[in-house]
Amino acid sequence: EPEVTQTPSHQVTQMGQEVILRCVPISNHLYFYWYRQILGQKVEFLVSFYNNEISEKSEIFDDQFSVERPDGSNFTLKIRSTKLEDSAMYFCASRILRQDPLGGYTFGSGTRLTVV
Amino acid sequence: TQLLKQSPQFLSIQEGENLTVYCNSSSVFSSLQWYRQEPGEGPVLLVTVVTGGEVKKLKRLTFQFGDARKDSSLHITAAQPGDTGLYLCAGAPGSARQLTFGSGTQLTVLP
Repeated sequence: EPEVTQTPSHQVTQMGQEVILRCVPISNHLYFYWYRQILGQKVEFLVSFYNNEISEKSEIFDDQFSVERPDGSNFTLKIRSTKLEDSAMYFCASRILRQDPLGGYTFGSGTRLTVV
Repeated sequence: TQLLKQSPQFLSIQEGENLTVYCNSSSVFSSLQWYRQEPGEGPVLLVTVVTGGEVKKLKRLTFQFGDARKDSSLHITAAQPGDTGLYLCAGAPGSARQLTFGSGTQLTVLP
C-alpha cells in the first residue's frame, strides 16, 4: 500500500536553530498538508499546498514557517528559528483530490521535533 | 471553543464488551472522517461518512453520521485488545477545506 514517508522520525534541536522536516507524499497525489500535534493536544492544521503554492494556512503558520516542494517528490517544512513551543509531532499528509469530499487523506508517521 | 467535541475522552473496557464513542459539533459538516492513531504514528483513516443518516460498517466497527450532519458515532462490537488506540474524528466545517480534528477518545481494551 502506498505510504507517505517522513524523515527524520525524531529531531532534537536547540532553540533558535533552523530545522527542515521532510516528506515524500504518495506519487500521484496532488495536495499536500502539514499538521502538528503538541503532546496531549489535538492534531492542528498548519498549511496546505497545491500546484507549487500555498493554498491555505492557519494562524500557527507564521513567518517562521515555510514550505517547499523542491523537486517532484519531496515536500518540506522549514522552521526558521525554532522556539520551545514548536516542540510537537509534525505530520505530513497527501491526497489525490481536494474535495471528493475530503476523502483519501494519507498521513505519514510523523517527525517528533524536540526543541531544547 | 472545540469545534468537534469527542466523548468520552478516555474509555477502558474489558475484551468482548461493546462501546460507543461520540463526535459532536454545532457546525454542519459536508463529511466526517474517523481515524485511529497509535503512539508515535500518524492518524490512519478508518472511514469517511458523507450523507446525513448514513451508516457504514467495517467488520466490528459501525459508523453513523447524524441526520443533520453535525455529529457522528463509532460503535465497536466485541472489542479486542488490538482495538486499543486513539480514535479521532475530523471534518471540514462549512466551506473550509482543511481538516479540523476532535481531541480524540483514548480507548484501552483489556484482555
